[in-house]
Amino acid sequence: DTGVSQDPRHKITKRGQNVTFRCDPISEHNRLYWYRQTLGQGPEFLTYFQNEAQLEKSRLLSDRFSAERPKGSFSTLEIQRTEQGDSAMYLCASSLGTANSYGYTFGSGTRLTVV
Amino acid sequence: GNSVTQMEGPVTLSEEAFLTINCTYTATGYPSLFWYVQYPGEGLQLLLKATKADDKGSNKGFEATYRKETTSFHLEKGSVQVSDSAVYFCALRHSGGSNYKLTFGKGTLLTVNP
Repeated sequence: DTGVSQDPRHKITKRGQNVTFRCDPISEHNRLYWYRQTLGQGPEFLTYFQNEAQLEKSRLLSDRFSAERPKGSFSTLEIQRTEQGDSAMYLCASSLGTANSYGYTFGSGTRLTVV
Repeated sequence: GNSVTQMEGPVTLSEEAFLTINCTYTATGYPSLFWYVQYPGEGLQLLLKATKADDKGSNKGFEATYRKETTSFHLEKGSVQVSDSAVYFCALRHSGGSNYKLTFGKGTLLTVNP
């Protein structure tokens, strides 16, 4: 068990560029989550997958954001036409069953800076 | 809606001091409550949890009791160490149909000096 892996760890991009982040969950975990954490704030829920199905997408995710989890394994989060307000830490987490029973396992995050 | 309010930081203590970080919540239904810890450059790690009223979660010397009457889940440790320096997040897991979702407080930065 290597935990939840996220790549890259850091990304600096110019405003208007597209970026894509990857998350590899714990292999047996069927649930995958994306959260966003801005400076001085707690993580905020973005979206949730059960296997390959995206079951909820937060209002925080504008149309510029898209997430996928093909084949219920790794997930990608793409941001198109980045804006300075997108600068944040993007956290991925996975779990088996419910968070109540097993808890989430979080990755170390991808820190995005839009300049 | 659901929300979590944590004591504002930063908190600075000397080694072996007593720690309390206050956390109160607002929720519909019967949420589960968690404390997560984030060390510099790392992701969040589950520290402890409580799933129903009067449950006490404990781990690594930290404790928190789920108090439904005061809607609180305060984190305590009797004697902190330098290695406890981190950001601590209180969180609740929604009940009902959104029980996969966590709502976090803003976090409290703890610095423990030798």
